[in-house]
Amino acid sequence: GNSVTQMEGPVTLSEEAFLTINCTYTATGYPSLFWYVQYPGEGLQLLLKATKADDKGSNKGFEATYRKETTSFHLEKGSVQVSDSAVYFCALRGVGSSNTGKLIFGQGTTLQVKP
Amino acid sequence: NAGVTQTPKFQVLKTGQSMTLQCAQDMNHEYMSWYRQDPGMGLRLIHYSVGAGITDQGEVPNGYNVSRSTTEDFPLRLLSAAPSQTSVYFCASSYGGGDNEKLFFGSGTQLSVL
Repeated sequence: GNSVTQMEGPVTLSEEAFLTINCTYTATGYPSLFWYVQYPGEGLQLLLKATKADDKGSNKGFEATYRKETTSFHLEKGSVQVSDSAVYFCALRGVGSSNTGKLIFGQGTTLQVKP
Repeated sequence: NAGVTQTPKFQVLKTGQSMTLQCAQDMNHEYMSWYRQDPGMGLRLIHYSVGAGITDQGEVPNGYNVSRSTTEDFPLRLLSAAPSQTSVYFCASSYGGGDNEKLFFGSGTQLSVL
C-alpha cells in the first residue's frame, strides 16, 4: 500500500541556518505530494504541493521537488526564522478518483529554531 | 470566513462513555474527513465522506461512527470510549481533486479517555 516516511525529529537549528527535512514515499503510479505545517495549537495548513514528477512546489521560502527516480519530496529552506518553528508533515494522495480528499501522512518532523 | 469549525476543543471521558465530536464547514466542500493524530504516527484517516449521504471507512475506523446528512456537517461518534482513543482529532474538508486539491483543517479536538 501507499506510505510516507519522514526523517526523525526533532530538528533544532539556529536562525538563518539551512533546513532539509527528508521525505520518501511508496506508491503506485504518480501520486500528488504535499507538505503541511502545523503551528502550535492549530490545525494543519498546506505549505506546498507538487502533482507530477520534476515539479517544484514553493511557498514562503520553502521548496520541495518531486523526484520520481528516488521517490522523494524533501523540504528545504535556505534561511530559517524563529517563526518557522512548527511540525512539518509530508503527505501523498494516491492515484485515482477514489483517493480524492484522502491523504496519507508521514509521522511529522518537529522543527525548533533558536534565535 | 469560518472555514472548518470543530467542537469541543478539549474533552475528558471515562471509559465506556459516548460522545460526538462536531465538525462543520462553510465552504460548500464535497469531501470531508476525520483524522487522528498520535505521537510518532502522524495523522491517520478514520472515516471520510464524498458528499451528503455517502461515507466510507479509512485506515482506523474501529470504535467510530459517522454520518453525513448535510454538506456542511460531519460528526464523529464514539459509542463506547476506550483509553486507546485518547488522541487529537482533526476534521478536514476539500472541494475536490486535480491540481487545485487542498485540504482545510479544523483546529482539532484533544480527547482524553480515562
